[in-house]
Amino acid sequence: DAMVIQNPRYQVTQFGKPVTLSCSQTLNHNVMYWYQQKSSQAPKLLFHYYDKDFNNEADTPDNFQSRRPNTSFCFLDIRSPGLGDAAMYLCATSGSSYNEQFFGPGTRLTVL
Amino acid sequence: GQNIDQPTEMTATEGAIVQINCTYQTSGFNGLFWYQQHAGEAPTFLSYNVLDGLEEKGRFSSFLSRSKGYSYLLLKELQMKDSASYLCAVRDLDRGSTLGRLYFGRGTQLTVWP
Repeated sequence: DAMVIQNPRYQVTQFGKPVTLSCSQTLNHNVMYWYQQKSSQAPKLLFHYYDKDFNNEADTPDNFQSRRPNTSFCFLDIRSPGLGDAAMYLCATSGSSYNEQFFGPGTRLTVL
Repeated sequence: GQNIDQPTEMTATEGAIVQINCTYQTSGFNGLFWYQQHAGEAPTFLSYNVLDGLEEKGRFSSFLSRSKGYSYLLLKELQMKDSASYLCAVRDLDRGSTLGRLYFGRGTQLTVWP
């Protein structure tokens, strides 16, 4: 089945230790998104790619970076995680019609 | 800017009907989405409205009034598995963006009791 896959589902890191979260999709969608969702809050868009064009949200901290080496894969790099970065990180994709975003299962990040 | 409001919590009993309201203010409205999110899981798409009126899909219906900046999600014949958070999201073509980013509300936590 076509889908959005995120690995790992659970990630534990130490304060200040870089971490990379991955997302892959078999939907062949042009657009890929990274959201941060903290408990009982709305998903917050960090950035998105349209093909290889990167679009950063104005309020996304510099600590967060992203890479999209090809259509199928997208990575979220957190260079120096702080306690406030503990959250669920959601990857989503959409096609050119943008009528629907398909979400992956998320990666829950814990920072010790 | 964008301002999306929905109630924080609602409760209902099995078999009942519940209506979850959402109000929004956007500068470049281009569609409203409802997503269901179970605890610890990803949001899943429920419905999409871009024109005024009611969209029905099985037990779920969604209504939009663009002039009032208002939408609701109607859930009929409630089941225990419908206990989840329901997220209202608005697509906004702000700053000339052609991608139409989504702005999410905080979600309404629905609890269905037997």
